Amino acid sequence: QKEVEQNSGPLSVPEGAIASLNCTYSDRGSQSFFWYRQYSGKSPELIMFIYSNGDKEDGRFTAQLNKASQYVSLLIRDSQPSDSATYLCAVLRSSASKIIFGSGTRLSIRP
Amino acid sequence: DAGITQSPRYKITETGRQVTLMCHQTWSHSYMFWYRQDLGHGLRLIYYSAAADITDKGEVPDGYVVSRSKTENFPLTLESATRSQTSVYFCASSESPGGWETQYFGPGTRLLVL
Repeated sequence: QKEVEQNSGPLSVPEGAIASLNCTYSDRGSQSFFWYRQYSGKSPELIMFIYSNGDKEDGRFTAQLNKASQYVSLLIRDSQPSDSATYLCAVLRSSASKIIFGSGTRLSIRP
Repeated sequence: DAGITQSPRYKITETGRQVTLMCHQTWSHSYMFWYRQDLGHGLRLIYYSAAADITDKGEVPDGYVVSRSKTENFPLTLESATRSQTSVYFCASSESPGGWETQYFGPGTRLLVL
């Protein structure tokens, strides 16, 4: 079992709809969680990070964290074609301060 | 130009050769990181550094050597390249407390080992 699991996709969502990306992790003591966006052939860029249970909103993006279920998600409202990319979930381990990335979910927004 | 740069951007080498990938940042960030990205594995941390002369192993350090004599530079050396080290290598830097938040990534180096 991978430490950080994501559905590889592709996830196809119509323009204007809500895209929901999910991530589960195995280290129950993990404290910090990150979502990165990576366009094809480009480097990753941080979208959001979240530490506490609940929701954190930033513009069209909402990160949701449920530590009891070891689950973190990213919602993208009013999806745009420019949101088409691979989204990487990353988790900071509680011990050894090492960050672990999931393999990413490829999102495609269809016009 | 300000930012984080990597060189070379593309490299082809042969098994057994030594290869050094360069990373340079102009922000004077304390933390620097090296990752590799392979299909199906996402990003995996190779080494990181909290400051000049301070380095630590990540998830997949075997076969790699790093040094950090100056804050702005963090070279990654493959001592004897193997085919399994064919990958895209990303360098990143951060000034966040602990270094893990808000990492800024370089453009990447695509390495092919024949």
